[in-house]
Amino acid sequence: ETGVTQTPRHLVMGMTNKKSLKCEQHLGHNAMYWYKQSAKKPLELMFVYNFKEQTENNSVPSRFSPECPNSSHLFLHLHTLQPEDSALYLCASSRRGYEQYFGPGTRLTVT
Amino acid sequence: QKEVEQNSGPLSVPEGAIASLNCTYSDRGSQSFFWYRQYSGKSPELIMSIYSNGDKEDGRFTAQLNKASQYVSLLIRDSQPSDSATYLCAVNIKSGMDAGGTSYGKLTFGQGTILTVHP
Repeated sequence: ETGVTQTPRHLVMGMTNKKSLKCEQHLGHNAMYWYKQSAKKPLELMFVYNFKEQTENNSVPSRFSPECPNSSHLFLHLHTLQPEDSALYLCASSRRGYEQYFGPGTRLTVT
Repeated sequence: QKEVEQNSGPLSVPEGAIASLNCTYSDRGSQSFFWYRQYSGKSPELIMSIYSNGDKEDGRFTAQLNKASQYVSLLIRDSQPSDSATYLCAVNIKSGMDAGGTSYGKLTFGQGTILTVHP
C-alpha cells in the first residue's frame, strides 16, 4: 500500500449506530488530518494530529471522536450522528507544514 | 471577508485554450499555497505548490503568486477534456507548532472553481 488509505469507502449508518472510520498513511509524515466535505461547501478541517498528539479541534461536535494511536494511523469514531452529518470524510497527512496528501475518502450516509 | 476566495464558476473553455483560475486570500502572513484538482466523487489531488513570489511551471500547469496583492492563480495551457474538474485553492493560513517544536500545516480551502473543457 502506498500513500494514504481509508476504509471503509462507503458507509451507511443509522442515527443510533456506532461506527469507525480508519485512515493509514505510508508516507512517513508527522501530521494527520480529518476533513469533512459537504455538497456546495468548502472543505472543513475537523481535527489535526501531530506525532499522534491532537493539536487542533475545530469545534467539532462530540459525536465525532478522533483517535490517533501512532503517527501512521488515525481513526474517527462516530456515534449518534445526525442526517446532516452525511458527507465525504477525508483523511490527509503532511510532513511538517508542507503539502497535504489526501486519502480516497469515506462517503458517509446517515439515515 | 472569506479567508480564501476563488473566482466564481463554472468556467468553460474550449479544448486547447488556456484556463485561468484565480484565488485571493486574506492573511498577509500566509507562506504556502496549493492547488488541488478534484474529480467528481473523488478526493482532492495535489497538482501544484508555490511558496515564493513569481511563476512556477510544471508541464501544462503554471502557478503564479503575488504576495503583495494576496493573489495566487493557476493557468492550464492546452486544456484537455480530462482537465474538467473542480479546482481548489488552499492556503496555509496558520502553521502550528507542537510542544516539541515540530510544525504542522493548517490549510484553508476556497470553495472551488468548476472547470469544464469542451471538445
